[in-house]
Amino acid sequence: QVQLKQSGPGLVQPSQSLSITCTVSGFSLTSYGVHWVRQSPGKGLEWLGVIWSGGSTDYNAAFISRLSISKDNSKSQVFFKMNSLQANDTAIYYCARGLRSFAYWGQGTLVTVSA
Amino acid sequence: DIVLTQSPATLSVTPGDRVSLSCRASQSISNYLHWYQQKSHESPRLLIKYASQSISGIPSRFSGSGSGTDFTLSINSVETEDFGMYFCQQSNSWPWTFGGGTKLEIK
Repeated sequence: QVQLKQSGPGLVQPSQSLSITCTVSGFSLTSYGVHWVRQSPGKGLEWLGVIWSGGSTDYNAAFISRLSISKDNSKSQVFFKMNSLQANDTAIYYCARGLRSFAYWGQGTLVTVSA
Repeated sequence: DIVLTQSPATLSVTPGDRVSLSCRASQSISNYLHWYQQKSHESPRLLIKYASQSISGIPSRFSGSGSGTDFTLSINSVETEDFGMYFCQQSNSWPWTFGGGTKLEIK
């Protein structure tokens, strides 16, 4: 069955970077895109960006200067990196599979930005 | 960015009621509107895609309607397992955006 499993740190120092890996199973990254979405009490759900099956990316313009999404098809892994985190980046970060809607989601990674 | 406004913010209902949740877009998004349910400490679950298309495995009591700027998620005969948060999401224009959510609670 389709699964997305996330791994990454729960605590990030202010001004440091966040890296999360989304490892997928049950489908190929060469056939489906993987999106990143975050959720916080203050801003709700925010779409961050996507890496498409062909490897191209689209980013939310609000994050484009500090966000990078890449992947390794052979390892079925998608890599999320966000730089210069601040306290207001504290949120649950999700990877999700889909074209225009998100039928499958990772379990979420709670990221706290704090010294 | 397209703003999605969901109403009401909270809806208190009794099991067995029929309910309607609203999602209004700040500009036309055709039918690129999707609905999700989220329970506490869980990831969102897709309920309806493209405004009215059903999703495999989702109970038939969930249905969606609308196009352009006004959309509705209907639940025919609410069950106790339906309580939680509901979000809409648009994929017509970058960046894709979500509504603020409607909380469905037991009266």
